[in-house]
Amino acid sequence: EDKVVQSPLSLVVHEGDTVTLNCSYEVTNFRSLLWYKQEKKAPTFLFMLTSSGIEKKSGRLSSILDKKELFSILNITATQTGDSAIYLCAVDNYGQNFVFGPGTRLSVLP
Amino acid sequence: NAGVMQNPRHLVRRRGQEARLRCSPMKGHSHVYWYRQLPEEGLKFMVYLQKENIIDESGMPKERFSAEFPKEGPSILRIQQVVRGDSAAYFCASSPETGTGYTFGSGTRLTVV
Repeated sequence: EDKVVQSPLSLVVHEGDTVTLNCSYEVTNFRSLLWYKQEKKAPTFLFMLTSSGIEKKSGRLSSILDKKELFSILNITATQTGDSAIYLCAVDNYGQNFVFGPGTRLSVLP
Repeated sequence: NAGVMQNPRHLVRRRGQEARLRCSPMKGHSHVYWYRQLPEEGLKFMVYLQKENIIDESGMPKERFSAEFPKEGPSILRIQQVVRGDSAAYFCASSPETGTGYTFGSGTRLTVV
């Protein structure tokens, strides 16, 4: 059965902390892994990863994929209260379906 | 708990035909959201519905697209007179109340030929 697991499911930190969110997957036919930030009604696309070992960066966020060990991490440095959201990991299961993880709820306290 | 069920998983339509996409929310969830994902892009919000009500359709194209969430049965996203540009993956998510824990379905891939 295809599945995506995220950990932790919930995380509370203080501003300035660095966090690492984890996503592991088991799918039949991996094409890409996507990270989203879910706020209110529409997830914001963060990264799409297709190749192992290549870090993608956007400001304080970065992500990397390990296709051998079947996981990805999302790092957020110097967290701010505006980073509070649910972070979703999804895997594009080539030609079949997308599989979403349950999300990690991040709360950043001032 | 079967989660959010979307069907069909794949749908192929010829230009000008109608496409109907179905979404059954998780048990106990009364809020449904539809999104469209174009290749290499993120999820675009389309519409937010509660049972028998459209709450926010600000992301819906003005023509050919409609959505409903009847009292009984799944939510339906309908696209009339499909065009090639409608080809995309359409996702549905449900939640028990606004802003608290979305669960996504696995999507319907629509291909217009």
